[in-house]
Amino acid sequence: DIVMTQSPDSLAVSLGERATINCKSSQSVLYTSNNNNYLAWYQQKPGQPPKLLIYWASTRESGVPDRFSGSGSGTDFTLTISSLQAEDVAVYYCQQYYNAPITFGQGTRLEIK
Amino acid sequence: EVQVVESGGGLVQPGRPLRLSCTTSGFTIGDYVMNWYRQAPGKGLEWVGFIRNKAHGATTEYAASVKGRVSILRDESKSIAYLQMNSLKIEDTGVYYCARSLTTSSWYVGYWGQGTLVTVSS
Repeated sequence: DIVMTQSPDSLAVSLGERATINCKSSQSVLYTSNNNNYLAWYQQKPGQPPKLLIYWASTRESGVPDRFSGSGSGTDFTLTISSLQAEDVAVYYCQQYYNAPITFGQGTRLEIK
Repeated sequence: EVQVVESGGGLVQPGRPLRLSCTTSGFTIGDYVMNWYRQAPGKGLEWVGFIRNKAHGATTEYAASVKGRVSILRDESKSIAYLQMNSLKIEDTGVYYCARSLTTSSWYVGYWGQGTLVTVSS
């Protein structure tokens, strides 16, 4: 199984500042035949189901604000929120879908400083 | 509009079976990968399994933690997906989410239900 490890576990950032969450996979999730990284990011607010933010490591889902961006390749990935808004308080998860079993990172809790 | 609604959760004794339903609308259920995820109280997300779309044989994959105890089925005439769980364990307690792939064959999820709570306890 591919193990996904996020860092940090929790993060406090001031409004308007940049937030960065890292995700590392135990093996590459880059499929070389199509050059796609099989990595997604989800946001989950309390009492709600997760929401897809990013897929293919850097493709923003429709309707997701452009302050959210994803980067990285192979085994190391980053979710960046360029200017934190109050509504971004949530837990963020990375997920690999390179192979089954699909696995998630442990989550990063993002709060306002 | 795509909608996914889970039902069937509740309190169940260890060792007993339970079937969760996922009622869908706004799309043709057989054309998409249908997933089940779960989240134990206060914990992270865990993939339970999925059923591929018809074009990919409607085959299933399951997490090791549930393999042999669960089955995912789909009734296209009713637009319902099911998660049949047998021999439930206390550690199966959590909110169970049904979720549709964003695109027909993708394994990342674009649409989630609100979840249904399963509590396994004597």
